[in-house]
Amino acid sequence: DSGVTQTPKHLITATGQRVTLRCSPRSGDLSVYWYQQSLDQGLQFLIQYYNGEERAKGNILERFSAQQFPDLHSELNLSSLELGDSALYFCASSVDDYTGELFFGEGSRLTVL
Amino acid sequence: GNSVTQMEGPVTLSEEAFLTINCTYTATGYPSLFWYVQYPGEGLQLLLKATKADDKGSNKGFEATYRKETTSFHLEKGSVQVSDSAVYFCALSDRRGQNFVFGPGTRLSVLP
Repeated sequence: DSGVTQTPKHLITATGQRVTLRCSPRSGDLSVYWYQQSLDQGLQFLIQYYNGEERAKGNILERFSAQQFPDLHSELNLSSLELGDSALYFCASSVDDYTGELFFGEGSRLTVL
Repeated sequence: GNSVTQMEGPVTLSEEAFLTINCTYTATGYPSLFWYVQYPGEGLQLLLKATKADDKGSNKGFEATYRKETTSFHLEKGSVQVSDSAVYFCALSDRRGQNFVFGPGTRLSVLP
């Protein structure tokens, strides 16, 4: 158990809908990262937050947004969903933004029909 | 920008065979290097790491040495087990940790 909790574990929805994925980092970790894992594109970095502020942005679509709240949990919002958004979404946390050791949750599997 | 290249999989080995998964990187500074493993149905977990040149990371019989001259961090294990079947990701992060980059992953299947 990494200590990172992600909900929901599975989510099935329709195209055009909006979903929210939630992540609770390990106790004491200030940094949260979101990754998308699909079969054909591997692990893609989406966005990183550190202590409530956006720190780095990767290949995150404009239809996606995220935030980190004062209690350090984070949410990833996916809107106007398309079939191609079906993937496993991982959250990872680290104690700060420079030690480089990430602890991953078990992921949220999103299926868009 | 920073990047990581791994050997293409899948890799299929018999139990007790020797394993090498190649990893090379491109980075502007002096990154830290990592191997993460993803077992079926689970998230990624850190397998080993090295933070400076010539460091050797090791864990669970796996080893990798940070080679700055060849910009490589190859993963090795002398005798694989069926339980080692998983996807292995090479990764790097720069000192700021803002640019944590993963390779595409290499799927390993170990047959009894």
